[in-house]
Amino acid sequence: DIQMTQSPASLSASLEEIVTITCQASQDIGNWLSWYQQKPGKSPQLLIYGATSLADGVPSRFSGSRSGTQYSLKISRLQVEDIGIYYCLQAYSAPYTFGAGTKLELK
Amino acid sequence: QVQLKESGPGLVQPSETLSLTCTVSGFSLTSYGVNWVRQPPGKGLEWMGTIWNDGSTDYNSALKSRLSISRDTSKSQVFLKMNSLQTEDTAIYLCARDTIAAPMDAWGQGASVTVSS
Repeated sequence: DIQMTQSPASLSASLEEIVTITCQASQDIGNWLSWYQQKPGKSPQLLIYGATSLADGVPSRFSGSRSGTQYSLKISRLQVEDIGIYYCLQAYSAPYTFGAGTKLELK
Repeated sequence: QVQLKESGPGLVQPSETLSLTCTVSGFSLTSYGVNWVRQPPGKGLEWMGTIWNDGSTDYNSALKSRLSISRDTSKSQVFLKMNSLQTEDTAIYLCARDTIAAPMDAWGQGASVTVSS
């Protein structure tokens, strides 16, 4: 199975700050990487697919990038509504695997 | 408007079988796949399996011996059945639409399942 190592596990940042979360795949998954945001008590929402494509309705301050088997989610200017837990997902091959999650809090 | 909604029993006895239904609207099951994902209390997301638009399935190898996913396209429903439930199967169970380009682009609200006697 493909392992997704996500870091950091938790992150505290200030409003308007730049935030970066990374996922390292255990093998080549191409661009089959998605990012999700989950707010407390809610279902996850798709933010980024294909490693770099912004999902419909997602603010442009979110962006995704890839360098080899390392993938990053960047929030350019942190807003209050961005607080939550972020997960990466590899959909290159079954079994799909999620990262362990990054809990993003306001400082 | 794309919608998915999970339904099923909130409480299941240990060793019994869990049956959940995901009822979808706004898209066809013959055009999109549907995933099942679960989330134990306070923990992360675990992919359970997918039924693809052609009716074929993929399962998490850790659950494969206990899990079955099927569908009724005429009713726009996807079914999950998992047997031999244990307390560690207590979780929120979610269904999510799948497209090749954008996996899990729409999610249901989730169904809470507690395994307890």
